Amino acid sequence: AQRVTQPEKLLSVFKGAPVELKCNYSYSGSPELFWYVQYSRQRLQLLLRHISRESIKGFTADLNKGETSFHLKKPFAQEEDSAMYYCALSRYNTDKLIFGTGTRLQVFP
Amino acid sequence: EADIYQTPRYLVIGTGKKITLECSQTMGHDKMYWYQQDPGMELHLIHYSYGVNSTEKGDLSSESTVSRIRTEHFPLTLESARPSHTSQYLCASSEVSSNQPQHFGDGTRLSIL
Repeated sequence: AQRVTQPEKLLSVFKGAPVELKCNYSYSGSPELFWYVQYSRQRLQLLLRHISRESIKGFTADLNKGETSFHLKKPFAQEEDSAMYYCALSRYNTDKLIFGTGTRLQVFP
Repeated sequence: EADIYQTPRYLVIGTGKKITLECSQTMGHDKMYWYQQDPGMELHLIHYSYGVNSTEKGDLSSESTVSRIRTEHFPLTLESARPSHTSQYLCASSEVSSNQPQHFGDGTRLSIL
């Protein structure tokens, strides 16, 4: 079955600490993976996608096909990173996204 | 300004009423989507459209229906609302190429009494 798992509902860190939000997926084909973010009182928006291989707001994510993971990392968390983060998978050659349940990141001062 | 709009933002209504949730986008996108999200849960795709007169059901079975008569407009209708329809409904759109980012609206929080 196709599935995206985010094991942590809540992740709390202090400002300046490293952050890793976990995402594992189950998909037999070639997945396209995304991280979406929702800041307080804002819309859900794209943070980054694995095919771009870019760093956005200091966040990076590497697709590990062996471990079927796409963890989101940032070396030094900032208070403005506090938000809800969703990992999502798009099945090959479709735009039908499968979302994880999300992880709420809280960054304390 | 190019954007995606959903109305209403909140709707509280009685059982048995017919409801239409509006979604319009001025981004020139061909593809549009409806997701349903219960509190603390993942978004589930319930409908999608790749263009005018094209609509398909998503992964989660829904009693709602959609139409796509115009590129920019993708309304969702519930003919007879029930308490089980209480949820948040999110509309999104994306460009015609595959695996482009989806742009989301603000959502409609629907409560059926």
